Amino acid sequence: QKEVEQNSGPLSVPEGAIASLNCTYSDRGSQSFFWYRQYSGKSPELIMSIYSNGDKEDGRFTAQLNKASQYVSLLIRDSQPSDSATYLCAVNRSGGYQKVTFGTGTKLQVIP
Amino acid sequence: SAVISQKPSRDICQRGTSLTIQCQVDSQVTMMFWYRQQPGQSLTLIATANQGSEATYESGFVIDKFPISRPNLTFSTLTVSNMSPEDSSIYLCSVDKTGGTDTQYFGPGTRLTVL
Repeated sequence: QKEVEQNSGPLSVPEGAIASLNCTYSDRGSQSFFWYRQYSGKSPELIMSIYSNGDKEDGRFTAQLNKASQYVSLLIRDSQPSDSATYLCAVNRSGGYQKVTFGTGTKLQVIP
Repeated sequence: SAVISQKPSRDICQRGTSLTIQCQVDSQVTMMFWYRQQPGQSLTLIATANQGSEATYESGFVIDKFPISRPNLTFSTLTVSNMSPEDSSIYLCSVDKTGGTDTQYFGPGTRLTVL
């Protein structure tokens, strides 16, 4: 089992729809969870972090965390073509290593 | 967040040569990280660079191939030694400025092509 798993996509949604991106992780001791957006040819950009169970909203983005199910998701409301990118899920490693493990990313395509 | 710069932004190198990549941060940070992102792949951590101590390498990466320097709290270098075409990749440095939440911010990356 991979440490951080994501569906590679592409996930295609029409403009204005909700995009739902999912991520599962294997380390039960992980406490910090991140979503990064990476445009083609660019470096990853942090868009959300979440540390406790439940939802966290920031503008059009909502991160959801369920530690019992080892599941974290990102919802993008009112999707725009500019949201088309690869979204990377990252999870910290337990044990005080101060490192994170990245998933392989989900490519999102927002169709005008 | 953090303002991070990397030099060079891209390079084309010959097999068997070495390239040193520089990473500069706009403020002091304890931990800096070096990643590799091969075409179409996710990020793989190469090593963690702490000021005043030896870099800590991940499984599969060795100091002879990827020597790292961390002379102060705002700067680090990664050298890719004795390069082969398999080293063609994007190399990224990142920093954790948040003091314990593991939140990382990335530099713009160095795109390396080895012929």
